[in-house]
Formats: sequence, C-alpha cells, structure tokens
Amino acid sequence: KQEVTQIPAALSVPEGENLVLNCSFTDSAIYNLQWFRQDPGKGLTSLLLIQSSQREQTSGRLNASLDKSSGRSTLYIAASQPGDSATYLCAVYNQGGKLIFGQGTELSVKP
Amino acid sequence: NAGVMQNPRHLVRRRGQEARLRCSPMKGHSHVYWYRQLPEEGLKFMVYLQKENIIDESGMPKERFSAEFPKEGPSILRIQQVVRGDSAAYFCASSPDLSLNEQFFGPGTRLTVL
Repeated sequence: KQEVTQIPAALSVPEGENLVLNCSFTDSAIYNLQWFRQDPGKGLTSLLLIQSSQREQTSGRLNASLDKSSGRSTLYIAASQPGDSATYLCAVYNQGGKLIFGQGTELSVKP
Repeated sequence: NAGVMQNPRHLVRRRGQEARLRCSPMKGHSHVYWYRQLPEEGLKFMVYLQKENIIDESGMPKERFSAEFPKEGPSILRIQQVVRGDSAAYFCASSPDLSLNEQFFGPGTRLTVL
C-alpha cells in the first residue's frame, strides 16, 4: 500500500531564505508526482508535475526533483516571500490514476 | 477554457438530510475523481469515474455515499442521511486522458453538518 510522508509538518522561515520541502513514498512504482499549494480554506493549485521518466521540473522560483529509486522528491523554493505562505502538498499517481497525498507541510514566511 | 467547477461552494445540512455535490469537469475531460479532506487530515481518494461508469470506488464509504457521472451533465457525489463526521471539504478533479495523468482540481465544496 502506497504511503506518502512529508517532512517537516510545519516550517517557519524569514523572508528571502531558500528552503527545501521533503516528500517520501513507500512504493517506487509510481507514474507521476505532483506538488500542490493550498491556501487556508481554498482549493488546490498545481505547482509542478514530474513525470516518472523525469528527474526534475522547474517553474520560476520553484524546482522539484524526483528520485524514484529512493522514493523521494524535494521541492526547492528560492528567495522565499510572505506570499509563499501556504500548505504544500505532495501527491503520487499510482496505477489507475488516483492520487495519494501526503499530509502536507505548512509553510510560513515571515516578513 | 473554464476550470473545474464545483457547486455549491458551501453546503450546510442537518443530521439525517441528504447532500448533493456537483462537479463539472474541464471541457474535453472525461475522467472525474472525488477526494475528501477531513478537518486536520490529508486529502483522501474516494472515487474515480468516467462517463457513465464507476472505475474505482475503493475509497468510498460502503454506506450512504454514492457517485455518478452521467452522459450529460455534471458528476454528482451524493451523501444520504448525513452525520457530523461527514463534515469536510470535498474536492473534484478531472483529467482528459488516463495516460496523461495530470488532474486539475476544482475549488471544493465545504460541507458542514449541524
């Protein structure tokens, strides 16, 4: 049974700092992996989708990496801003298309 | 191209009533997924549907919950005889093709059971 774990559960950093969010999964037979952002009381915003054949994806200040063999993904956020404060969710696509989500990392960026 | 639409955005029901949640997928998308986010918990898969077919309902509670995606119209998640433990945010996602696997999420319906 696939399980997705995100560490840390919460993170508080000063503005401008570079940071890394971690995601691990127990079954390496995944199709794709996706990072989302969720603001309080809101829906999910897709940040990056990494296909199983890829090692990383970049979008602006965000970079996500994927190492299937070790069951890990990281989301790197450069030069963090207060507007980056949100919960970040990692999810893996298993066979059949359903997403398995981690519990999320709650990020707070202090001005 | 409008995104995934869900309505209502907020729904309040008393215990024992029925709740109907609607999801209109993105144009051209024929795959719909429902997820539930209980308070202080992560998002959990409930059901995966294609037009007129339930593909995977392994995450659905065995009783009181049902889902459909008719040939015409939105997908419906129906909860009969709601209880307080059903209070949660229910998210719908759609995708155009299983092989592409990227799902696009709606804004969610927040159900409160009094």
